[in-house]
Amino acid sequence: EDQVTQSPEALRLQEGESSSLNCSYTVSGLRGLFWYRQDPGKGPEFLFTLYSAGEEKEKERLKATLTKKESFLHITAPKPEDSATYLCAGGGGSNYKLTFGKGTLLTVNP
Amino acid sequence: NAGVTQTPKFQVLKTGQSMTLQCAQDMNHNSMYWYRQDPGMGLRLIYYSASEGTTDKGEVPNGYNVSRLNKREFSLRLESAAPSQTSVYFCASSEPLGQYFGPGTRLTVT
Repeated sequence: EDQVTQSPEALRLQEGESSSLNCSYTVSGLRGLFWYRQDPGKGPEFLFTLYSAGEEKEKERLKATLTKKESFLHITAPKPEDSATYLCAGGGGSNYKLTFGKGTLLTVNP
Repeated sequence: NAGVTQTPKFQVLKTGQSMTLQCAQDMNHNSMYWYRQDPGMGLRLIYYSASEGTTDKGEVPNGYNVSRLNKREFSLRLESAAPSQTSVYFCASSEPLGQYFGPGTRLTVT
């Protein structure tokens, strides 16, 4: 059975305090590892797809990395507007059926 | 380009009532998905459609039916609503680079 586990469940940072979110996965035939951002009352917003170990992708203050067992979302010098729930998902199979983790709730205080 | 749209945004049903949640995408994607999101449970796949004319069960299909009306539209039907189906429902469509989500339908069954 495919599994995706995210840690920590919640993270509170001060503005400018860099940190990382963890995503451990066991997905059969992994085709891609996906990161999403979800704001309260809204649908998940696509951030990144990582396809192979060693790959990195960046967007503004966010950088996602991938190993054979984990993915990390590094947040550099976060701002209050980065506060959201970050979701990780593993996609396997030709139709990219995703298995989601439960998310990390990030709060950035000014 | 609206992306993925869902109707309605909110719905209250009484136990035993039926309803259909509508989803449409304008990105010409082949695959479409229905998820439910519950506190502490994360996003769970209900049904998916890899292409027009095909549908398959996901992790939590009991109590639901789906119809892939055409390439653009994928509907989710609750035949006899139960309080356990109180949740937020998200539709998504995908290309290999990632799934794109609609804004969600918040359903309460009393």
